[in-house]
Amino acid sequence: SQQGEEDPQALSIQEGENATMNCSYKTSINNLQWYRQNSGRGLVHLILIRSNEREKHSGRLRVTLDTSKKSSSLLITASRAADTASYFCATATYSGAGSYQLTFGKGTKLSVIP
Amino acid sequence: GAGVSQTPSNKVTEKGKYVELRCDPISGHTALYWYRQSLGQGPEFLIYFQGTGAADDSGLPNDRFFAVRPEGSVSTLKIQRTERGDSAVYLCASSSGGRGTYQETQYFGPGTRLLVL
Repeated sequence: SQQGEEDPQALSIQEGENATMNCSYKTSINNLQWYRQNSGRGLVHLILIRSNEREKHSGRLRVTLDTSKKSSSLLITASRAADTASYFCATATYSGAGSYQLTFGKGTKLSVIP
Repeated sequence: GAGVSQTPSNKVTEKGKYVELRCDPISGHTALYWYRQSLGQGPEFLIYFQGTGAADDSGLPNDRFFAVRPEGSVSTLKIQRTERGDSAVYLCASSSGGRGTYQETQYFGPGTRLLVL
């Protein structure tokens, strides 16, 4: 089953604009991670935010987490054509033996038009 | 070092056949995960290994699916009597395990696209 729900399902913007994607989830989490996927193949890890953190930055990425609302957002600033991809949020819950199970949403398909 | 690798990249088989999908994790990573991703969906968890043992196989859809990791490194996902509904991209990920941003991050391979005719 998929816990996270990304919103919007698809987003089309002009190069240079900012892109915001949202994710909502249902259960308690240890951390939340955002991934990018090109052409339906391997996922690239972008950023991890812990349940006790509210905001995190990495380059042009800004992630927020609101555990009271069970929601997160990913902001990509000054978008580039190369940012065109599907973006997934994944909630991590501790599954024992030192590891975490990820539950993914359906993703947001971002298109950046040059 | 090298990332997670998966072979084959693509696999076409006929309904009822047996297939094996291989995953080679990042060297030293003790945790290994298998996911399945259907078209237009996010990856769904299948099974997780800590070392050689399957610590959580709750995501395996039925007993046609089985995975092994005999030496705690390479893993093989095995699907018996394949069905058309098994067609998907099968993703493998590994992590070093434990606490910390790096340890909790899962690193994914490129996936194997399975098509059952």
